Amino acid sequence: NAGVTQTPKFQVLKTGQSMTLQCAQDMNHNSMYWYRQDPGMGLRLIYYSASEGTTDKGEVPNGYNVSRLNKREFSLRLESAAPSQTSVYFCASSQRTGAGNTIYFGEGSWLTVV
Amino acid sequence: GNSVTQMEGPVTLSEEAFLTINCTYTATGYPSLFWYVQYPGEGLQLLLKATKADDKGSNKGFEATYRKETTSFHLEKGSVQVSDSAVYFCALNQAGTALIFGKGTTLSVSS
Repeated sequence: NAGVTQTPKFQVLKTGQSMTLQCAQDMNHNSMYWYRQDPGMGLRLIYYSASEGTTDKGEVPNGYNVSRLNKREFSLRLESAAPSQTSVYFCASSQRTGAGNTIYFGEGSWLTVV
Repeated sequence: GNSVTQMEGPVTLSEEAFLTINCTYTATGYPSLFWYVQYPGEGLQLLLKATKADDKGSNKGFEATYRKETTSFHLEKGSVQVSDSAVYFCALNQAGTALIFGKGTTLSVSS
């Protein structure tokens, strides 16, 4: 009963390094999301993909890129990591975007940029 | 644009106390409203939701009523337990939009 799986769970990067966070869902959902969670800020949307083949910017897209590889997978890439990107990242998915659709979350990826 | 405002925490209660966490929203049209809960070290889980005005969502003793006239979706529980200690997020979405969250309220329940 996997649901939304994201890797890695923990990562430490040096400033300027790049990395990709991987996410996969096994619920046959159309929509996938990447959020970041910071203390006192709640969850903020980075990018989302309403359906396979589409991606859209969220509230805080700068410094990130995404790829919807197929219906199951949605990756988040940091091209040149900065300390401001130290955060907990959550991948999520839903059947459709919006209008009461429940979003299901992965367990999170803790990223530290030094 | 759409937004969610929820009461700042932390909220500290004794076991069996009554809980209210306030949530108000700003949105055009008729959003769907949600409460999510996050236990330490975990991702977010849906606690309850309501998709139209006057609907009441309920789960695990928690409930919230969608009040369009006051643009509110306050979370309540009659008797909290230590196991309810977590961070609670109010959220909304509309057709074609991703979920927008409030900043979260930390609840700590002591025995």
